[in-house]
Amino acid sequence: AQSVTQPDIHITVSEGASLELRCNYSYGATPYLFWYVQSPGQGLQLLLKYFSGDTLVQGIKGFEAEFKRSQSSFNLRKPSVHWSDAAEYFCAVGRVDSNYQLIWGAGTKLIIKP
Amino acid sequence: EAQVTQNPRYLITVTGKKLTVTCSQNMNHEYMSWYRQDPGLGLRQIYYSMNVEVTDKGDVPEGYKVSRKEKRNFPLILESPSPNQTSLYFCASSSGQALVGQYFGPGTRLTVT
Repeated sequence: AQSVTQPDIHITVSEGASLELRCNYSYGATPYLFWYVQSPGQGLQLLLKYFSGDTLVQGIKGFEAEFKRSQSSFNLRKPSVHWSDAAEYFCAVGRVDSNYQLIWGAGTKLIIKP
Repeated sequence: EAQVTQNPRYLITVTGKKLTVTCSQNMNHEYMSWYRQDPGLGLRQIYYSMNVEVTDKGDVPEGYKVSRKEKRNFPLILESPSPNQTSLYFCASSSGQALVGQYFGPGTRLTVT
């Protein structure tokens, strides 16, 4: 069965430091990949998505993600975090048997140190 | 402003008392979906709808009902809520399919005692 793993439940980063959030998926072919962000008390917002083509994807709020087929990974990065980036981040992958469903990771909570 | 709205935002109820959580979107989206979010489990899909009068079960449909009589509305019905349905619920919509990218509502925090 398909699965998505976000190995880090929490990550703490100093403001201004770089960030990388990990996401691994289990599927042989190229899946559809997503990163969503959930700010405290709010719904989820799409940061970026990958379907095909250039493996480095640019998103909103200065985020980018890189698809690495050999590692089955789609890690999210930001060169310099701001206090407003404190949130929970979810990786998701499209299900191979349905265009209408995603498989979600458990999320990574990002904590920003001043 | 493009948005997905949910009501109520917070609800405390008792076991067995029927309730409905409403969801409405103003983007003319065909696809709508309900999720529940529980700590450590991420999002789990309850039901989804590809268009008016077309719905299908997600991964955790037991104890829930939905209907899609109008394109903009997709209410979630709990006929006989139980404590294990205490959760944070999100409605989402997208133009076409989930793969396009979804817009999420602000969430409804439900507590069943």
